[in-house]
Amino acid sequence: DVKVTQSSRYLVKRTGEKVFLECVQDMDHENMFWYRQDPGLGLRLIYFSYDVKMKEKGDIPEGYSVSREKKERFSLILESASTNQTSMYLCASSEPGGRAGDTQYFGPGTRLTVL
Amino acid sequence: AQSVTQPDIHITVSEGASLELRCNYSYGATPYLFWYVQSPGQGLQLLLKYFSGDTLVQGIKGFEAEFKRSQSSFNLRKPSVHWSDAAEYFCAVQGNNDMRFGAGTRLTVKP
Repeated sequence: DVKVTQSSRYLVKRTGEKVFLECVQDMDHENMFWYRQDPGLGLRLIYFSYDVKMKEKGDIPEGYSVSREKKERFSLILESASTNQTSMYLCASSEPGGRAGDTQYFGPGTRLTVL
Repeated sequence: AQSVTQPDIHITVSEGASLELRCNYSYGATPYLFWYVQSPGQGLQLLLKYFSGDTLVQGIKGFEAEFKRSQSSFNLRKPSVHWSDAAEYFCAVQGNNDMRFGAGTRLTVKP
């Protein structure tokens, strides 16, 4: 079974703090994604990566950055957390090749609260 | 770019009743379509997907979905709902590489 793990299930941070969300997948997937999930808005893509050290902006990259130093690990960074970044963050990975139609496998999510 | 609409924010059905969740998509070419389910506090799990071929797709947990190109729809169905089906359901469409999700439909199951 594909396993995507996220470092924390719940996280509480203060405004202005630097926040790291870690995601690890164990299936040698080339593609990894970060989404945020908000009620009534579904999932919105923040950043994605098709290879090590490669990153692409999604629909809502402002206020976020990412790092992919190793194939299995994809980190989301909030440089200076703000209250409007309170949300559920979901990491996903997909099968090698990056072909359209590849299934994405999701981690359990990190619920981040910024006070 | 592709987009997805799930018209129903919240649906309540009785246990044992049939279920249909609606999904409409917008995409210029033949889409890749997915249904995911999210149980409370969990990540998303794939229920089924459509790439091509037979327009009626079978998935896990007794779910099926039908692709109707003329209506730009990909509705999810289940003949008899179980209490454990209470969750949030997301329809998604994939274009060249990126995936777009609908806002989700929350399903409540009454005893």
